[in-house]
This record gives sequence, C-alpha cells and structure tokens, in this order.
Amino acid sequence: GQNIDQPTEMTATEGAIVQINCTYQTSGFNGLFWYQQHAGEAPTFLSYNVLDGLEEKGRFSSFLSRSKGYSYLLLKELQMKDSASYLCAVRDEGGGSYIPTFGRGTSLIVHP
Amino acid sequence: DAGITQSPRHKVTETGTPVTLRCHQTENHRYMYWYRQDPGHGLRLIHYSYGVKDTDKGEVSDGYSVSRSKTEDFLLTLESATSSQTSVYFCAIRDRGNEQFFGPGTRLTVL
Repeated sequence: GQNIDQPTEMTATEGAIVQINCTYQTSGFNGLFWYQQHAGEAPTFLSYNVLDGLEEKGRFSSFLSRSKGYSYLLLKELQMKDSASYLCAVRDEGGGSYIPTFGRGTSLIVHP
Repeated sequence: DAGITQSPRHKVTETGTPVTLRCHQTENHRYMYWYRQDPGHGLRLIHYSYGVKDTDKGEVSDGYSVSRSKTEDFLLTLESATSSQTSVYFCAIRDRGNEQFFGPGTRLTVL
C-alpha cells in the first residue's frame, strides 16, 4: 500500500505562486496524479506524472522525483477561483487494476 | 464529464434500512469505482469493477456490496445503513488513458 502525506491547508495571495508538496511511500510506484476539487463538487484531473521531472500545463505544473518519493504541484498567477482542495494520488504496481490511493488533500485558500 | 451520472444526488435514510446508489456511464468504460469521501480521510475506495460481473473489494468495503450486470451501470448497496456510512459517495471511471473521471457525487445521510 501507500502512505501519502500532504499539508492540510495553505493560504496564498492572488497573483502569487504557491507550491503544494506531496510525499509518498509505496512498494511499487506506477504514477502520481493531482486532482482539484472545489467545495461541493467532484474532483477533476489536473496532471499525471510517471517519469521524473516537470510537466507544465498552463498556470499549473507538476514535478516528480521517484527516488525521493516526492511531488509538488505549482500554481502560478493565482486566481481567486484556484481556492480549492488539491488531492495527490499515487498508483501502485499491484496488477492491472489501475487504482490510485488518495492523500487527504490540501485546502488552498487564495486571498485578494 | 465523461458521461457519468449518479442517482440519487441526495438521500436521507434511517439506520437499518437498505440503500442502493446508482452510477451510470454512457461511454462503455471498462473500469468503474466507488469511493467515499469524509473530512480528514480523503477519498477512500469501497469497491471497483473491471468488467461486467467482475468486481473486487477496496480499502473500506465492510458493510457495502456492489453489482455490475451491464457495462453502463455500477450499483452500490448498503444492506443495512449505519450512521458511520453518512458520507459523500463518488463514482468514477477510468479513461482509456490514465485519468479517472468522477461523477457528481451522492450525499447520503443516515439518521
């Protein structure tokens, strides 16, 4: 199984940059996901990393270091609408079920 | 939204009553999942399916059963609801890539 750790809550200012960290321990890594979830809504997919390095997608980037069991989600030019919970999820190599395990999520509050 | 709907969207029931939640998808995805989400616990897998009549247990399967008699529908049943099963339930499918897409959720309250 996996042990996934991310901060419970973060605050940041509109227009700034924020980095949300995720550390994990797994017996067989097979991919890391980031999801965004606004209050009262379903999670929506943001990014997927399986190889080391940075994946950039507009204002959002996700980084992975498999040797360190570490990932971060970088949000640039923060907007008020970025206030949401950000979920880190790690997929294990356990067969073909493709089931990621989710961390508890980081609640990001963006202030004007 | 990957064509996923859940019904009902909200339900209030009493302890000891049976409850069935439905997940319906329109895009012929093979893999379907049921999660529950609670404050302080994040999303936890209850059961999943990898095809018609092929299902398996997740992390928190006690007190829940599932059925998948056709590709488009994945049912989650609480045989005898308890207050600890008060939660928000999300259905998800796995895309042909790596992404999971989630349904809108069902908010269940067990009194």
